[in-house]
Amino acid sequence: EVQLVESGGGLVKPGGSLRLSCAVSGFTFTDAWMSWVRQAPGKGLEWVGRIKSKTDGGTTDYAAPVKGRFTISRDDSKDTLYLQMNSLTTEDTAVYYCTTLLPDLWGRGTLVTVSS
Amino acid sequence: SYELTQPPSVSVSPGQTARITCSGDALPKKYAYWYQQKSGQAPVLVIYEDSKRPSKIPERFSGSSSGTMATLTISGAQVEDEADYYCYSTDSSDNQVVFGGGTKLTVL
Repeated sequence: EVQLVESGGGLVKPGGSLRLSCAVSGFTFTDAWMSWVRQAPGKGLEWVGRIKSKTDGGTTDYAAPVKGRFTISRDDSKDTLYLQMNSLTTEDTAVYYCTTLLPDLWGRGTLVTVSS
Repeated sequence: SYELTQPPSVSVSPGQTARITCSGDALPKKYAYWYQQKSGQAPVLVIYEDSKRPSKIPERFSGSSSGTMATLTISGAQVEDEADYYCYSTDSSDNQVVFGGGTKLTVL
């Protein structure tokens, strides 16, 4: 059974940091390009960034609103994807999903709330 | 930065055809993908590579793309098709994935 399980969400103050994890099982994580997608309350889907498989270079790309503040990494030995989020603002409040996009595999999401 | 534009809402009666558009400058060269998201649920892919349908998706869902516009068509829309629909694609350099703003489909 394919599973993507996000964790690490919670309440953080503006300017703070948080690290999200996404534990994967049921498919070959090492071959997958992985993305983080977020959805603010009542808003649409927003792509945050992605990391390619190591065989495809392992490089990362980020959406403009998070570039320079967020870092995506992966540990293929643990089948785990990470999202390090720094300098958080209230605009970063959202449910964060990890996903392969293609094939269509998504976690259930983890809520990040940035508030004082 | 690159943008994909969708209408905020589309409304049809049950059994009618619903069409949701997505416009973007790179669409002549890049595939469009469509997600359905029902309230409180993770998105589900309904169309990939402009017009291909995953096996678990009903045949009434179809996609097309011409020029700078991609279209999701739901032929004979059902009440259970009420959801938010998002297109996504990449910019011309394949460095950015972009979602459209989403279209709320009402079937009543």
